[in-house]
Amino acid sequence: NAGVMQNPRHLVRRRGQEARLRCSPMKGHSHVYWYRQLPEEGLKFMVYLQKENIIDESGMPKERFSAEFPKEGPSILRIQQVVRGDSAAYFCASSPRAGGGEQYFGPGTRLTVT
Amino acid sequence: GENVEQHPSTLSVQEGDSAVIKCTYSDSASNYFPWYKQELGKRPQLIIDIRSNVGEKKDQRIAVTLNKTAKHFSLHITETQPEDSAVYFCAAQDAAGNKLTFGGGTRVLVKP
Repeated sequence: NAGVMQNPRHLVRRRGQEARLRCSPMKGHSHVYWYRQLPEEGLKFMVYLQKENIIDESGMPKERFSAEFPKEGPSILRIQQVVRGDSAAYFCASSPRAGGGEQYFGPGTRLTVT
Repeated sequence: GENVEQHPSTLSVQEGDSAVIKCTYSDSASNYFPWYKQELGKRPQLIIDIRSNVGEKKDQRIAVTLNKTAKHFSLHITETQPEDSAVYFCAAQDAAGNKLTFGGGTRVLVKP
């Protein structure tokens, strides 16, 4: 049973470019969460999605960031016009059920903005 | 919103000794409390969790306790080994189950 998959594992973007991060949840999981981890810090919640629905985006910056989880395919976290402060590790997690419980994390995408 | 405080930020123990990490949370409606271990450059790994209807849970050398009244929970690692060296994060989940709020992490170093 494959775990949570994320790609790319490392992404380098110049300031002003777009970054697209992908997350495939564990088999049988339909709930996806995105977290951001700055160097030497804890993880901060960004957004919670179910298939075709954004359930909670209270942690998403108001501008430049968007997320989707289409009916088919992986969840996508999109960052437009990246700035140096966007450099971080972005982790997604998946869960098999709504209403809380275990979240299993992917290996993360390390975004570097030059 | 929820706020989770974690102490200490670093912990150095001798191999074989015990390690204790403590967390407090602010939202009394939070009802699920997982602990994650993160090695350098790796994903957070769920090592143990506890729900608000339970006071204590144990899995081999690790145990977690929860005091709902005081709104704090702790991770206990006994007979520490060098491979326990990592950063440990506590977290609290909101009542709706929408998100985890993490503590700031504890860097544990087990000296052989």
